[in-house]
Amino acid sequence: DVKVTQSSRYLVKRTGEKVFLECVQDMDHENMFWYRQDPGLGLRLIYFSYDVKMKEKGDIPEGYSVSREKKERFSLILESASTNQTSMYLCASRRGENQPQHFGDGTRLSIL
Amino acid sequence: GNSVTQMEGPVTLSEEAFLTINCTYTATGYPSLFWYVQYPGEGLQLLLKATKADDKGSNKGFEATYRKETTSFHLEKGSVQVSDSAVYFCALILSGGYQKVTFGTGTKLQVIP
Repeated sequence: DVKVTQSSRYLVKRTGEKVFLECVQDMDHENMFWYRQDPGLGLRLIYFSYDVKMKEKGDIPEGYSVSREKKERFSLILESASTNQTSMYLCASRRGENQPQHFGDGTRLSIL
Repeated sequence: GNSVTQMEGPVTLSEEAFLTINCTYTATGYPSLFWYVQYPGEGLQLLLKATKADDKGSNKGFEATYRKETTSFHLEKGSVQVSDSAVYFCALILSGGYQKVTFGTGTKLQVIP
């Protein structure tokens, strides 16, 4: 089974802090994704990566950046956290075209 | 653009009732269609998929048929259990490009004993 591991289940940070969310997958998947999930809005794509050192903006990239230095790891960075970034963050990976995504358990991030 | 529309929730059913969660889509090509399930406190898991018209995906007693003529992919189960209580997401992927996934907003199902 594919395992997607997010480094924290719960995280509390302060406004203005730089926040790192880490995601690791163990199945050599090419594609990795970061979403945020908010009530009534479903999943919204922040960034995705189709290969090492490659990244593409999703639907809501403002206030975020990403890093993919190794194939198995995809990091989401909040450059200067704000309260409207309080949310559930989900990482996913996918082997290739037309394949389903495999999700981590999520990180519930609170910005105070 | 591409979009997925799901019925509003929450849906509350008694155990052993029949379940239907509606999903319709808009896409510029011929998408692959998926249903994901999210149990409380967890990430999303793939429930079933269908990659072309008239395909039927099935898993754990759930079924959905890819209907090109009505652009629908409704999720059904004949007899729900309390353990089916979760949020269900319909999603699509289009071939080509970077294949971003488009998700619906999710439908919460609550099954009561």
